[in-house]
Amino acid sequence: GESVGLHLPTLSVQEGDNSIINCAYSNSASDYFIWYKQESGKGPQFIIDIRSNMDKRQGQRVTVLLNKTVKHLSLQIAATQPGDSAVYFCAEDTLGRLYFGRGTQLTVWP
Amino acid sequence: GAGVSQSPSNKVTEKGKDVELRCDPISGHTALYWYRQSLGQGLEFLIYFQGNSAPDKSGLPSDRFSAERTGGSVSTLTIQRTQQEDSAVYLCASSSPTGFYGYTFGSGTRLTVV
Repeated sequence: GESVGLHLPTLSVQEGDNSIINCAYSNSASDYFIWYKQESGKGPQFIIDIRSNMDKRQGQRVTVLLNKTVKHLSLQIAATQPGDSAVYFCAEDTLGRLYFGRGTQLTVWP
Repeated sequence: GAGVSQSPSNKVTEKGKDVELRCDPISGHTALYWYRQSLGQGLEFLIYFQGNSAPDKSGLPSDRFSAERTGGSVSTLTIQRTQQEDSAVYLCASSSPTGFYGYTFGSGTRLTVV
């Protein structure tokens, strides 16, 4: 069936470097995508979203890129900080239901 | 309250017992979702309520699972005759009518079946 997946299960970066977390989706009908951050023992926290009529959206230190041609989504975190260490999930909204990928564990080393 | 509230935060139950998990969504949010997250895994959709419409129950794994939403607000997820494979974190989320700013999740209920 159609699903959202992630290319890498883990990512380690040095503090201050930029991080890029990737996500592939297969449902061409999805029109809304969300990135979530989940820290240990907590629920997923909204980071940034993007609609399918856009290819880029920027927030504070984060940028989401959407490439509909290859059905690829990425999250860029600028100047990564230790507090960014968490599991990051991409999710696609299809007909009001969110489908999640497995997640990428981001570890930031001081 | 300001966020989605779930109770209890932790629940340990014996195999075969029934459990009820509660979710208080953000006031004014018409959509409410239940997800299950097993250790180290992504989120698995369970059920979706939208306003007064019939709920989308297509994600419930078996007939031991049921959920209701009273008065368009509080929701209860019930698991009957719990099994060890039911052990997971159960997450609730709600969203505004437009849903544009994502779905706000609660902190979840960690269920352990022993």
